[in-house]
Amino acid sequence: AQSVTQLGSHVSVSEGALVLLRCNYSSSVPPYLFWYVQYPNQGLQLLLKYTTGATLVKGINGFEAEFKKSETSFHLTKPSAHMSDAAEYFCAVSDNPHLSGGYQKVTFGIGTKLQVIP
Amino acid sequence: NAGVTQTPKFQVLKTGQSMTLQCAQDMNHNSMYWYRQDPGMGLRLIYYSASEGTTDKGEVPNGYNVSRLNKREFSLRLESAAPSQTSVYFCASTESNTEAFFGQGTRLTVV
Repeated sequence: AQSVTQLGSHVSVSEGALVLLRCNYSSSVPPYLFWYVQYPNQGLQLLLKYTTGATLVKGINGFEAEFKKSETSFHLTKPSAHMSDAAEYFCAVSDNPHLSGGYQKVTFGIGTKLQVIP
Repeated sequence: NAGVTQTPKFQVLKTGQSMTLQCAQDMNHNSMYWYRQDPGMGLRLIYYSASEGTTDKGEVPNGYNVSRLNKREFSLRLESAAPSQTSVYFCASTESNTEAFFGQGTRLTVV
């Protein structure tokens, strides 16, 4: 079984400040990890993903995340928040499809709403 | 390339009415999903289809049925709508080693 915990359902930062959104996961096999962003009245779109290889992954819009196996974490960061970053962010975990018979079941966290204060 | 297309975008139902939410993807993905999104609860998996011809229950399947009509299409049916099914519904598709692609969502209100 796999699960995702996002700490903080609402996070507020000042424009230009560091963004840190926390995500911890549990998985019985080496996981694939994802961060998605959802703007109002839209579907989710991928920010970045970790599958294998380099543990620091860079995504769109200046976001990055680091996979830390020992801490079972995949926190999302951005050095300087922009007003356009205000949205809801979802962390997700899936089994490695190469280990789970080719099927990829994705489990999402409850989401973190990011508010950027001018 | 349309990606994942959901219809309708909005729907209001009366309690007890039935309806089918349609989803189609043009990316030749094997796996398709239906989620519901509720405030404070994130996305919860209703049903999924690992491949054409197979469907399985997710976290919250009660009150719903699905049909994987072919590789492209995966529909979600509410046989007798209840106010508790008021939600935003998302269809998604994936292929191994890639991210999930989402439709724009269906906002369903049951009165």
